[in-house]
Amino acid sequence: KQEVTQIPAALSVPEGENLVLNCSFTDSAIYNLQWFRQDPGKGLTSLLLIQSSQREQTSGRLNASLDKSSGRSTLYIAASQPGDSATYLCAPSGANSKLTFGKGITLSVRP
Amino acid sequence: DAGVIQSPRHEVTEMGQEVTLRCKPISGHNSLFWYRQTMMRGLELLIYFNNNVPIDDSGMPEDRFSAKMPNASFSTLKIQPSEPRDSAVYFCASSFILGDTGELFFGEGSRLTVL
Repeated sequence: KQEVTQIPAALSVPEGENLVLNCSFTDSAIYNLQWFRQDPGKGLTSLLLIQSSQREQTSGRLNASLDKSSGRSTLYIAASQPGDSATYLCAPSGANSKLTFGKGITLSVRP
Repeated sequence: DAGVIQSPRHEVTEMGQEVTLRCKPISGHNSLFWYRQTMMRGLELLIYFNNNVPIDDSGMPEDRFSAKMPNASFSTLKIQPSEPRDSAVYFCASSFILGDTGELFFGEGSRLTVL
């Protein structure tokens, strides 16, 4: 059974910092891995999808990397802004896009 | 595209009542997922459909829960009878799966409170 760990559970940083959010998973037999953002009281917004054959994916200030063999993924956020404050969840995918979610990292970016 | 549409957004009901949550997936997607989110357990997959057929319902907590997908554009999740421990946010997500992989898109969720 896939288990996903995201540590720490919460993070507070000053605006402008570059930061790395970590995700680890136990079963490396994945098809892809998605990073999501969730704002309070809202649904999940897909940020990046990395296929199992890829090492990284970039979108704007976000960069996600994947090391399948070691069961790790990182989400890098450059030049953080208060608007980046949210909960970030990673979810490796098994067959048929069956995602297993971590508990998420709640990020607060202080102005 | 309008995205995944869920209704109702909020539901407050009393223990023992029947609850029906609805979902309209993104047009063209061939897979639909129901998730439940609580503070204690995070996001849990309840059931998923591929081409309107239930593929895996192992996450459905008990017989009080049932889900249907009568066509490609509509799905329901029903709880009967509801209990206070069913209080959670229920999310529907859809995806176009090709070769076992596809990006998931979530609706805004239905927040259920059972008194």
